[in-house]
Amino acid sequence: DSGVTQTPKHLITATGQRVTLRCSPRSGDLSVYWYQQSLDQGLQFLIQYYNGEERAKGNILERFSAQQFPDLHSELNLSSLELGDSALYFCASSVSSGNEQFFGPGTRLTVL
Amino acid sequence: EDQVTQSPEALRLQEGESSSLNCSYTVSGLRGLFWYRQDPGKGPEFLFTLYSAGEEKEKERLKATLTKKESFLHITAPKPEDSATYLCAAYHTGFQKLVFGTGTRLLVSP
Repeated sequence: DSGVTQTPKHLITATGQRVTLRCSPRSGDLSVYWYQQSLDQGLQFLIQYYNGEERAKGNILERFSAQQFPDLHSELNLSSLELGDSALYFCASSVSSGNEQFFGPGTRLTVL
Repeated sequence: EDQVTQSPEALRLQEGESSSLNCSYTVSGLRGLFWYRQDPGKGPEFLFTLYSAGEEKEKERLKATLTKKESFLHITAPKPEDSATYLCAAYHTGFQKLVFGTGTRLLVSP
C-alpha cells in the first residue's frame, strides 16, 4: 500500500458525459501528479500540482482540468468524454518535484 | 526531445535464470532515474532512485545501476512472483516531469 488513495476504482459512463476522479496523497506529500495509461500509449503525464498551485503540464487535453485543494487532495475533471478517453488514470504524490513518486491504485474509466 | 527507451519489450525467463533489463535515456539535465514495478491493472510500485553515474542500489533479487546514458535492472535468480512490467522513468529538471519508458514485460516460468 503506497498510502495514495483514489476513488472511484471503476467508472463506466457514456460519450459526452463529465466525470470527476479524486485522489488523496500520502501524508506529508505536497505534490500531486495525474497520469493516463492506455494500452497503446503507456504512462502519460497529464499535470502536476504543488501545494495547491499548478506546477507542470504534460499532454493534458483542454477538456480535462484538475485542481488541488487546501487539504491537498486533488480532483481530475474529464468532460465531453470520448471513446478514446477510456484508460487507467493514476494519481501519484511526492514530497516535492524530483523526488520519487508513489502511485495510487488507479481509476479505470470506461466510456461507452 | 527527451526520450526513455526500454529493452527488451518482453522477456521470458525460467525460474533461477538471471538477466538484465535496459533503460536508455536522452534527457538533458537529468535529476534522477527511477525504476518501478507494475502488476496488471495496478499502480506502479516504486523500486529505486538513482541520481548519479556509478550509483547502484539493491533490493532482494533486484539491482539497479546507472551510467551516463543508460540504466540496468539486474534480476538475479528470479522467481515467478517477479513477473511484472518494469518501468523506468527519467526526471528532467527543466520540465519538472517524469518521462516514462514503455516498460519491459517480464514473465518468469517455474
